[in-house]
Amino acid sequence: TQLLEQSPQFLSIQEGENLTVYCNSSSVFSSLQWYRQEPGEGPVLLVTVVTGGEVKKLKRLTFQFGDARKDSSLHITAAQPGDTGLYLCAGGTNAGKSTFGDGTTLTVKP
Amino acid sequence: DSGVTQTPKHLITATGQRVTLRCSPRSGDLSVYWYQQSLDQGLQFLIHYYNGEERAKGNILERFSAQQFPDLHSELNLSSLELGDSALYFCASSVSSGGARGETQYFGPGTRLLVL
Repeated sequence: TQLLEQSPQFLSIQEGENLTVYCNSSSVFSSLQWYRQEPGEGPVLLVTVVTGGEVKKLKRLTFQFGDARKDSSLHITAAQPGDTGLYLCAGGTNAGKSTFGDGTTLTVKP
Repeated sequence: DSGVTQTPKHLITATGQRVTLRCSPRSGDLSVYWYQQSLDQGLQFLIHYYNGEERAKGNILERFSAQQFPDLHSELNLSSLELGDSALYFCASSVSSGGARGETQYFGPGTRLLVL
């Protein structure tokens, strides 16, 4: 069974602060995706990374895929209250399965 | 709006009953995925169908079954319901078979099931 561990589980910060959340596994994934989910809604895809060492930027969000394709990080610069939500990472395999981490619940206080 | 629709939005039923959840994928998407999300277990992959055929199975109970129809909509059937089956059930769709390149999955709004 491929497992993804996300840390921290909960994070509460002030507006304007920077933060990093992590997604780690002992397994290699062919791709890794980050989603953001708001209460009562489905996850929304933020980014997909497929190459070891890949870095992608989406405005204030920076995503990195580990060289060995076993881990990933999401860094948010100057967090805003609108960034509040559940951040999920998901690892994809060639067999068409997706494994999700348990998520990091981020609260950004104004 | 992801383009994926799920019905019903809310469902309240009793233990021992059987329910059917429905999902319509985005236009043109051939794959449908089902997930269960509960408070204590996060988002759990249940099953993946591609163009009518089962492609991958996750932690799906034997009391649960799914199918994808020729028009590509999918149904998730939950039977002999237990209190612990109360959760959000999400459907997602993608263009093709979800292979190595990390194909984007688009999630529906979910069905909230409450078993009393």
